Amino acid sequence: EVQLVESGGHSVQPGGSLRLSCGASGFTFDDYGMHWVRQPPGKGLEWVSGIGWNSGLTGYADSVRGRFTISRDNARNSLHLQMNSLRPEDTALYYCVKSRGASMIGESGLDYWGQGTLVTVS
Amino acid sequence: SYDLIQPPSLSVSPGQTASITCSGDGLGAKYVSWYQQRPGQSPLLVIFQDTNRPSGIPERFSGSSSGTTATLTISGTQAVDEADYYCQAWDSGTGVFGGGTKVTVL
Repeated sequence: EVQLVESGGHSVQPGGSLRLSCGASGFTFDDYGMHWVRQPPGKGLEWVSGIGWNSGLTGYADSVRGRFTISRDNARNSLHLQMNSLRPEDTALYYCVKSRGASMIGESGLDYWGQGTLVTVS
Repeated sequence: SYDLIQPPSLSVSPGQTASITCSGDGLGAKYVSWYQQRPGQSPLLVIFQDTNRPSGIPERFSGSSSGTTATLTISGTQAVDEADYYCQAWDSGTGVFGGGTKVTVL
């Protein structure tokens, strides 16, 4: 059974930093691209960042580029998101998401989602 | 930036067909995925690459895409299908979600 478990969400002041982590199990982690998708309270989904199977390619939404850094550790089956210079508009539930394919660009769909970790910036 | 436009809401009677549209420039040339999100739950992939259903998704869910519009169709809608639905595509290496459509079954 595929499991994605996020951690690291917290309440932080504007300008602060957080590091989110996601532990993956139930599949061959280094065969797939991985993503972070966020959802502000009561609002819609926003893609944040993605990384290919071997970390060779990464991508970011314009709203976070230059402030957030995605990384993965295939030996530990883990995904991370380093979030710096946080703003109130970054307040959201952050989901760790598995791609159906190996590429950073998940054109084949995002097929497994964690339960999310809440980040509050205020 | 690239935008995907969905109607905010849609009401459908049980057993009827719900059609949810998603519009964007040149969308027919991009692969579209659709996600269902029930209240308090994480999103669920229901359609990928325009028309394909993942294993375990009921046959009443189908997708199509042409020109600038992709459509998710729920045939024989059931009460359990009441949820928010999001389309998603990729543009210039970034992921884009539509604003979501709230489907009410009544």
